[in-house]
Amino acid sequence: NAGVTQTPKFRILKIGQSMTLQCTQDMNHNYMYWYRQDPGMGLKLIYYSVGAGITDKGEVPNGYNVSRSTTEDFPLRLELAAPSQTSVYFCASSSDRVGFSYEQYFGPGTRLTVT
Amino acid sequence: GQSLEQPSEVTAVEGAIVQINCTYQTSGFYGLSWYQQHDGGAPTFLSYNALDGLEETGRFSSFLSRSDSYGYLLLQELQMKDSASYFCAVRTYGQNFVFGPGTRLSVLP
Repeated sequence: NAGVTQTPKFRILKIGQSMTLQCTQDMNHNYMYWYRQDPGMGLKLIYYSVGAGITDKGEVPNGYNVSRSTTEDFPLRLELAAPSQTSVYFCASSSDRVGFSYEQYFGPGTRLTVT
Repeated sequence: GQSLEQPSEVTAVEGAIVQINCTYQTSGFYGLSWYQQHDGGAPTFLSYNALDGLEETGRFSSFLSRSDSYGYLLLQELQMKDSASYFCAVRTYGQNFVFGPGTRLSVLP
């Protein structure tokens, strides 16, 4: 199993540009998450999904959009990038089996700079 | 609002025991998780407490007191490889998680 994979690893965007961060998991997990982590800080939840077709906002959703058309994929869309979106973005997944929904498996992250 | 507090830094020597505390104020509470993150890496899961008490997994233990809105991670027989940041996270409702600011642990030889 590859686990959770994210592309790209690094990206530099100009202000106002848009991009999609890709996230794929091969563990058949129903729960998936997007976090951002600013330098020296904790993770903040942007959006999460409990299954294909179901998404919900986390703590910091403004400026982002998500979709979940399949169990495996959970892309994060940035529209009109701003310098405040410079961060490391982590995708994670977890199982919905009873007693296992709390352990999140994280991807390697995407380091995004907006200038 | 939601807030979690952790000490920003902790330093200890190899072989010692260290405790990292986490206090929380959240609108809901289902459980407390702990994650480890090495510099430049992704967080990895350590433990989860839904009920009061101590959970032990090898050299790591985690404790929760729901009445005190408090938990801690206990690391025993510290090794150099334990130098990392440690985050507590509260599962507030559904699959919504709020993470603390993190504690940077430095293990000295």
